[in-house]
Amino acid sequence: DVKVTQSSRYLVKRTGEKVFLECVQDMDHENMFWYRQDPGLGLRLIYFSYDVKMKEKGDIPEGYSVSREKKERFSLILESASTNQTSMYLCASSLQHGGGQPQHFGDGTRLSIL
Amino acid sequence: DAKTTQPTSMDCAEGRAANLPCNHSTISGNEYVYWYRQIHSQGPQYIIHGLKNNETNEMASLIITEDRKSSTLILPHATLRDTAVYYCIVRPQHSNYQLIWGAGTKLIIKP
Repeated sequence: DVKVTQSSRYLVKRTGEKVFLECVQDMDHENMFWYRQDPGLGLRLIYFSYDVKMKEKGDIPEGYSVSREKKERFSLILESASTNQTSMYLCASSLQHGGGQPQHFGDGTRLSIL
Repeated sequence: DAKTTQPTSMDCAEGRAANLPCNHSTISGNEYVYWYRQIHSQGPQYIIHGLKNNETNEMASLIITEDRKSSTLILPHATLRDTAVYYCIVRPQHSNYQLIWGAGTKLIIKP
């Protein structure tokens, strides 16, 4: 089974802090994704990566950056956390090749910015 | 890109088949249909996907109409642990990342 592991289930930080969310997958997937999920807004894509050191902006990249130094690890960085970044953050991964490869998700990090 | 329409909520008796409908009337020929579910406080769980043909795996069956404008996810013997929000999603075949998430159907399995 695919395993996508997010480093924290719950995290509380303060406004202005630099926040790192870590994600690791164990299936040698090329693609990795970061989403945020908010009530009434569904899942929205922040960034994705299709290879090591490669990244692409999703629908809502403002206020975030990412890092992919190794294939199995994809980090989401909040450069200066703000209260409107309080949310559930979800990491996902998928194979790149072959039609219709599904994305597999971690259990999420519930981040609160005070 | 095609969007999906699902009922807001549904009930099903434990042990019966749960049939969850999804409308995707604007789907194009190269767009896959995916089903995920999300149990409270967990990440979305992949269930099944298809392009044109019906599909079955150990979790569920996916029935896609011939015109591809709608589909039905079938959980053959629902259990209480199947209570979740179920999402029907379309994805362009050419795209490796674009998943268009709707609001989903809240499925409640009743004892």
